Amino acid sequence: DQQVKQNSPSLSVQEGRISILNCDYTNSMFDYFLWYKKYPAEGPTFLISISSIKDKNEDGRFTVFLNKSAKHLSLHIVPSQPGDSAVYFCAASAPDNYGQNFVFGPGTRLSVLP
Amino acid sequence: DAGVTQSPTHLIKTRGQQVTLRCSPKSGHDTVSWYQQALGQGPQFIFQYYEEEERQRGNFPDRFSGHQFPNYSSELNVNALLLGDSALYLCASSLDQGPYGYTFGSGTRLTVV
Repeated sequence: DQQVKQNSPSLSVQEGRISILNCDYTNSMFDYFLWYKKYPAEGPTFLISISSIKDKNEDGRFTVFLNKSAKHLSLHIVPSQPGDSAVYFCAASAPDNYGQNFVFGPGTRLSVLP
Repeated sequence: DAGVTQSPTHLIKTRGQQVTLRCSPKSGHDTVSWYQQALGQGPQFIFQYYEEEERQRGNFPDRFSGHQFPNYSSELNVNALLLGDSALYLCASSLDQGPYGYTFGSGTRLTVV
């Protein structure tokens, strides 16, 4: 049973427009969420994170929104650029005494068209 | 500043063989986690090493084992390879006391034939 879901395997957006990537989770114990971006032949790179005590975090063109009651988060990219074309993974972790173990979603492939 | 280094980058093994993958963490990081990413899926947590001990383990069989050395580098060993073990194996390092988040290596692509 997937605890982190990304129901859109792919998304195409025109350059300059907004990209919205969605993520849903089932484990109510998750309290920290991250987005990673992955280019082919490279490892995932950290993009932005949000703690469950917040409902929004912004970093330049990237904003993550968290709706705890709906167990839903989204990543907004404005404006989208061709270099943003990559696979985006949503990841979540629950607090424990032993350090962090992230659960990843299956990813959404974003294509930004020039 | 070198990030996370993994070796080898690609590997082909036969069913039943054993394989060892290696990882050097980012400078200053003390925790190493291993993930398996099958085609079309997100990374799945295998285990995490801290202070040379396995601290957490995901839902993987005992054929998967690991080690962390005093210099924080780590190895992932897989015995009795199955075709289903074919995947990208990602190593991620982090600092135990935060800030939260991993730095990933580029991975080792393992193909079992």
